[in-house]
Amino acid sequence: AQSVTQLGSHVSVSEGALVLLRCNYSSSVPPYLFWYVQYPNQGLQLLLKYTTGATLVKGINGFEAEFKKSETSFHLTKPSAHMSDAAEYFCAVSDPGYGNKLVFGAGTILRVKS
Amino acid sequence: GAVVSQHPSRVICKSGTSVKIECRSLDFQATTMFWYRQFPKQSLMLMATSNEGSKATYEQGVEKDKFLINHASLTLSTLTVTSAHPEDSSFYICSARSGERSNQPQHFGDGTRLSIL
Repeated sequence: AQSVTQLGSHVSVSEGALVLLRCNYSSSVPPYLFWYVQYPNQGLQLLLKYTTGATLVKGINGFEAEFKKSETSFHLTKPSAHMSDAAEYFCAVSDPGYGNKLVFGAGTILRVKS
Repeated sequence: GAVVSQHPSRVICKSGTSVKIECRSLDFQATTMFWYRQFPKQSLMLMATSNEGSKATYEQGVEKDKFLINHASLTLSTLTVTSAHPEDSSFYICSARSGERSNQPQHFGDGTRLSIL
């Protein structure tokens, strides 16, 4: 069965500092991986996805993530945090063997301090 | 592109009322739509998957007769919470995907905050 672990339910960084949100997955086959962001009382917005090809994926708002098969990880990074990045971030995995459904991690709330 | 509209954004109603939530894909055809429930400070829990023109597939533990799903067209799916009770209060989110393949992302609506008094 698939599972997604996001280390750290809350992450706090200073404005301008590096953002690192961790995601590890468990899957029996090479998965497809996604990062979504959720602002309060809103749905989820796709930040980026990895399906095949280049393992370093660039997304919107300056975020990127690197798929590392050997570490079963897909950590999300941004070189310089902005106040508007404060939100909750969800890592998700899907694979054809699981009915093409998304399995979400528990989420990480990012706080950006001025 | 890939906009999903969910309506209403907030519902407050009395216990025993049935509530219908609409999910529309505005600029693409959604072969598959998904309905999630999110409890406070928790992740999304998949309730059911619906494919246009066929019956929805419910996840284990989700009552089919309680949560009625209709996916009548390639741009519209509805979730009806029948005879809602306070324990049904939650944040419900829909998503839509244009194809069957799992490498295609799901696009989410803005959610519906359901409060049952």
